[in-house]
Amino acid sequence: NAGVTQTPKFQVLKTGQSMTLQCAQDMNHNSMYWYRQDPGMGLRLIYYSASEGTTDKGEVPNGYNVSRLNKREFSLRLESAAPSQTSVYFCASSHGGQGQPQHFGDGTRLSIL
Amino acid sequence: ELKVEQNPLFLSMQEGKNYTIYCNYSTTSDRLYWYRQDPGKSLESLFVLLSNGAVKQEGRLMASLDTKARLSTLHITAAVHDLSATYFCAVEFRGSNYKLTFGKGTLLTVNP
Repeated sequence: NAGVTQTPKFQVLKTGQSMTLQCAQDMNHNSMYWYRQDPGMGLRLIYYSASEGTTDKGEVPNGYNVSRLNKREFSLRLESAAPSQTSVYFCASSHGGQGQPQHFGDGTRLSIL
Repeated sequence: ELKVEQNPLFLSMQEGKNYTIYCNYSTTSDRLYWYRQDPGKSLESLFVLLSNGAVKQEGRLMASLDTKARLSTLHITAAVHDLSATYFCAVEFRGSNYKLTFGKGTLLTVNP
């Protein structure tokens, strides 16, 4: 049982390049989330998807787009990467409600030069 | 504004000592979560607190929730080195559609 799988684990980009971070969960969860973690800032929500077919902005959505491809997969796209987007990105999923915790992937460490 | 404040942000303890991490939040919450993160690793769920007065214990860690005071505590009893990690509280504010707002985390170092 893999849980939440993120790819890639590491990536280095040049400013202005684009890329997509992939996330898949095998727990039949309704809700999926993308966070970024920066030193001393905790986790900040970028986008989330409460259910298949819906997406909404979180606290820090600028410079990102998302796609909920199906119930299992939720991708995060950087259209034109900027050094300020250097961070560790975590994908998470949950049933959404009933006090179930979010389950996190291992993270993607992204550096933008 | 939805705010979650943890303190202390850094905590250095000796093995065998007790200490408490505090998590204050700004408005009505439905649920509160505690997570642990080891360096370079993912987040692991520790506790889910669902109602006022809830208390959960696992080993040397005990979490409690006081919704009237908008306060949760994570109490560490007789700390051991293996508890060294960063601990986050996360609040599911009422009406948030299951979104979590995280505190900045408490970096706990337990020294021999």
